[in-house]
Amino acid sequence: SQELEQSPQSLIVQEGKNLTINCTSSKTLYGLYWYKQKYGEGLIFLMMLQKGGEEKSHEKITAKLDEKKQQSSLHITASQPSHAGIYLCGADNSNSGYALNFGKGTSLLVTP
Amino acid sequence: DTEVTQTPKHLVMGMTNKKSLKCEQHMGHRAMYWYKQKAKKPPELMFVYSYEKLSINESVPSRFSPECPNSSLLNLHLHALQPEDSALYLCASSQDIGTGQAYEQYFGPGTRLTVT
Repeated sequence: SQELEQSPQSLIVQEGKNLTINCTSSKTLYGLYWYKQKYGEGLIFLMMLQKGGEEKSHEKITAKLDEKKQQSSLHITASQPSHAGIYLCGADNSNSGYALNFGKGTSLLVTP
Repeated sequence: DTEVTQTPKHLVMGMTNKKSLKCEQHMGHRAMYWYKQKAKKPPELMFVYSYEKLSINESVPSRFSPECPNSSLLNLHLHALQPEDSALYLCASSQDIGTGQAYEQYFGPGTRLTVT
């Protein structure tokens, strides 16, 4: 079974709209990472969350961690074509200090 | 600067070849990682190095041999690979590993490997 579930699997939004991507872990979360990936390229670090209730923002992207529910959400406000790509969440489920498991990713397309 | 560089960008090799992938970071990070990513799949952890010593080997076949010559460099030596080993190989680094704290992990652009 998948230890890290991401939803939705894919998303098509109109430019300017807001969107949310969710990541739920079946195991205890010691750290939660969000990355963006263009097809065939490396992962671009977005944010890392460690403490329950923690919320971080960078430009128009906000990520939150609900430690009790073992889940995180990534919210993009006023989406732009530059936000298009695959968003991956990674989890530290073993208190090791790095991302051991990744979700399957959410493919985002932003249309004009 | 949060840059991790990887060479080569693309590599095509036969099943009898020996080749190496290289990774470099100059952020003073003491932990470095190799991940493998098949098409349309999430990355899978292969190896973790901490302070130039192999810390984790996720049951990777011996045809993959990692090496950490110094704190800035990480190599992955490849020998007698199979076509199913074709994938994007990603290197990452972080300040450290260990319990009690998560560290930001930065990834390189990857090496696209094709085994013929």
